[in-house]
Amino acid sequence: DTGVSQDPRHKITKRGQNVTFRCDPISEHNRLYWYRQTLGQGPEFLTYFQNEAQLEKSRLLSDRFSAERPKGSFSTLEIQRTEQGDSAMYLCASSGGLAYTLRSGANVLTFGAGSRLTVL
Amino acid sequence: AQTVTQSQPEMSVQEAETVTLSCTYDTSESDYYLFWYKQPPSRQMILVIRQEAYKQQNATENRFSVNFQKAAKSFSLKISDSQLGDAAMYFCAYDGPWEKLTFGTGTRLTIIP
Repeated sequence: DTGVSQDPRHKITKRGQNVTFRCDPISEHNRLYWYRQTLGQGPEFLTYFQNEAQLEKSRLLSDRFSAERPKGSFSTLEIQRTEQGDSAMYLCASSGGLAYTLRSGANVLTFGAGSRLTVL
Repeated sequence: AQTVTQSQPEMSVQEAETVTLSCTYDTSESDYYLFWYKQPPSRQMILVIRQEAYKQQNATENRFSVNFQKAAKSFSLKISDSQLGDAAMYFCAYDGPWEKLTFGTGTRLTIIP
């Protein structure tokens, strides 16, 4: 297992189009997180899953955003009717979850390289 | 809501010297975790060091150490013997009982040869 993979690495789209990003976490990790990072800022939490259950969504995640993790493995983040303000790096991370935290003392997230979205 | 503040947008240090990056946070919780992540120009976040709030001893990882002041809600990162490969954005992050990370705005560290 080579870590957290994200695809595509870079997506350029026109305003109003739909885009989908995919994240493949570390195989034994049961938690998966999505963050958004704009230039010069720290990552902002969007949502996270434990297995296939979406446990929390940020208020940043408007109705145009939807995330799924259908089989508890990979996840997709879809943005409908993109706007220029959606331009950002979308980061995925995974972790072992609560059981791992209890065993090792901290919920350490492993991040992917990110998917950069540019909306023209 | 928890907040994390990094008041130094940019720092620079001579190679082989020591630099300290500052971080403060706000929380009403007593049990939590703090992290420093590094994001090199390739933009993949890498964990540098972590600290459990219930531990009084400051964490150390090779050239990286923290100064954790729980009462002051301060969590600074010290990098000793700075190397060119340390150049990156450094993010302080807080993880409370909800187990999602809240990040600061980052500090860009430049290493001067």
